[in-house]
Amino acid sequence: DGGITQSPKYLFRKEGQNVTLSCEQNLNHDAMYWYRQDPGQGLRLIYYSQIVNDFQKGDIAEGYSVSREKKESFPLTVTSAQKNPTAFYLCASSIDGAVRGRYRPNYGYTFGSGTRLTVV
Amino acid sequence: DAKTTQPPSMDCAEGRAANLPCNHSTISGNEYVYWYRQIHSQGPQYIIHGLKNNETNEMASLIITEDRKSSTLILPHATLRDTAVYYCIVRGTSGTYKYIFGTGTRLKVLA
Repeated sequence: DGGITQSPKYLFRKEGQNVTLSCEQNLNHDAMYWYRQDPGQGLRLIYYSQIVNDFQKGDIAEGYSVSREKKESFPLTVTSAQKNPTAFYLCASSIDGAVRGRYRPNYGYTFGSGTRLTVV
Repeated sequence: DAKTTQPPSMDCAEGRAANLPCNHSTISGNEYVYWYRQIHSQGPQYIIHGLKNNETNEMASLIITEDRKSSTLILPHATLRDTAVYYCIVRGTSGTYKYIFGTGTRLKVLA
């Protein structure tokens, strides 16, 4: 079955460490996204990518970095510059993207099951 | 992208219809209304979307007012498993295709 996989489910980071969260999809989706969710809050966009080798900053990109070397993969690195990284991180993908040429609204996002990051 | 307003919480008796409202008074003509739900500690799940006509699928119905300034998600026979946070989002057909999530409505289905 096609889907989107995030790993690990739980991650603990020491102060000053960089950590990388994995996101892999086999849906052949063009676009991928990273969101952060804090307790009792909605989702906030960190980075998104509409096509391989291209990505854009979202609303809260500071302290994070991404890469999109393959269509299937969009890893997120939480750097030591992110002062409050403890949160629930969600990866998503969607079929629409820059290569399609036009927006196709018949498909929503597919989300992964999330990674809960805690600074210890 | 237009902003949405939802009540922070609602209760619904099991077996009854749950009607979740959403205001999107600044919606523009090419923006669609999407609904997602998030069960505790999981990723959001797509429910339904629409432009201006009412829509129905196996999960829910979406009623959009004629002026498109508000909509209602209807779960016809709510079950305990429908307890979740429901997000109403509007999204355009140009630009970055990104969603902007609000804080949603926390629906609690009561036995």
